[in-house]
Amino acid sequence: GQNIDQPTEMTATEGAIVQINCTYQTSGFNGLFWYQQHAGEAPTFLSYNVLDGLEEKGRFSSFLSRSKGYSYLLLKELQMKDSASYLCAVRDEGYQKVTFGTGTKLQVIP
Amino acid sequence: DTGVSQNPRHKITKRGQNVTFRCDPISEHNRLYWYRQTLGQGPEFLTYFQNEAQLEKSRLLSDRFSAERPKGSFSTLEIQRTEQGDSAMYLCASRSDTGGHEQYFGPGTRLTVT
Repeated sequence: GQNIDQPTEMTATEGAIVQINCTYQTSGFNGLFWYQQHAGEAPTFLSYNVLDGLEEKGRFSSFLSRSKGYSYLLLKELQMKDSASYLCAVRDEGYQKVTFGTGTKLQVIP
Repeated sequence: DTGVSQNPRHKITKRGQNVTFRCDPISEHNRLYWYRQTLGQGPEFLTYFQNEAQLEKSRLLSDRFSAERPKGSFSTLEIQRTEQGDSAMYLCASRSDTGGHEQYFGPGTRLTVT
């Protein structure tokens, strides 16, 4: 099975940079995802990491260290619309089951 | 393609009644997933289909829950003898083996059991 830990809540200022951490313990690993979920809406895909290192996509970057069971999502130039929950999720071997963490609720303040 | 759709969007039912939800995945997506999400939690895996075959079902899922994908296209999730603890958002997601790794989520069906 999978055990995923991420902070429950974070607050950051508009225009700043925020890093959301995720640690996991797994019986099998085949990729880590980050999703964004606004209140009352479905999750939307942000990033996917399967190899160690940093993946950059615009204002969002995601890092993975498989040996440490650790990932982070980096959000730059924060905007008010970035206020949402950010879900870390790990996929089992075999490309099947994806287990989600409880999510980190990010509040961006002026 | 308009994405994953789910019906109904909201369902209020009395305890003990049966409910059925429908999910229409993105066309040609062969993999379909059902999740349940309660307030303040991440989506919880319920079950998974590859084409019409149900390949995995969560051990947390009681016998009151059943899902089908008869022709490998749309899927239904049925809950029998609903309980108040079944109140949640039920999310469907789909993915293609030939596309990216990400799952595309539908808007969900919010179930309230009174």
